[in-house]
Amino acid sequence: DTAVSQTPKYLVTQMGNDKSIKCEQNLGHDTMYWYKQDSKKFLKIMFSYNNKELIINETVPNRFSPKSPDKAHLNLHINSLELGDSAVYFCASSQDYGSETQYFGPGTRLLVL
Amino acid sequence: SQQGEEDPQALSIQEGENATMNCSYKTSINNLQWYRQNSGRGLVHLILIRSNEREKHSGRLRVTLDTSKKSSSLLITASRAADTASYFCATDTRYGNKLVFGAGTILRVKS
Repeated sequence: DTAVSQTPKYLVTQMGNDKSIKCEQNLGHDTMYWYKQDSKKFLKIMFSYNNKELIINETVPNRFSPKSPDKAHLNLHINSLELGDSAVYFCASSQDYGSETQYFGPGTRLLVL
Repeated sequence: SQQGEEDPQALSIQEGENATMNCSYKTSINNLQWYRQNSGRGLVHLILIRSNEREKHSGRLRVTLDTSKKSSSLLITASRAADTASYFCATDTRYGNKLVFGAGTILRVKS
């Protein structure tokens, strides 16, 4: 059973398009995260939700909008995609907001042409 | 800005040798964690060391933490080809559950 899953695994799209990445965790965790890993492997947090509420919102363009329909899901919608959005996006979850260990999904590789 | 910086950036060793990776960070931390990332995969948690601990072991892994120098090291003993991966340190900075990752060390273990 996959603990944290993401779809799609690969996403190739044109500049200016709008796309969504979905994340689901079946661990019963309360807290979920989105990270971006750039071409140099730097991994940076973008958002964090705890029980469907936004708790961390780093300096991310407002073209990126997370949505948490329930605590098992955290989706990421990106409007007006730009070349610089090309990266690997990782979803993660932790038991709750105070938990230390995070469990990562396999990543979504986004390429904007 | 990146909190942790790993050193070396890349490391190539023979199977059976030990691998040591270092991480430095800038601000006070609650804990420091090490994660592994196999090529094309997500990160997997390896070990966590709290700010009041100096050393921790888990199987072939040994982690040290020196808060006075703001540094940590990860030692993998008796390395195996399957240990080939990128290794990241991540710090939890006391301001909520926000992990800040370093750039990672790419480890290659040759069989």
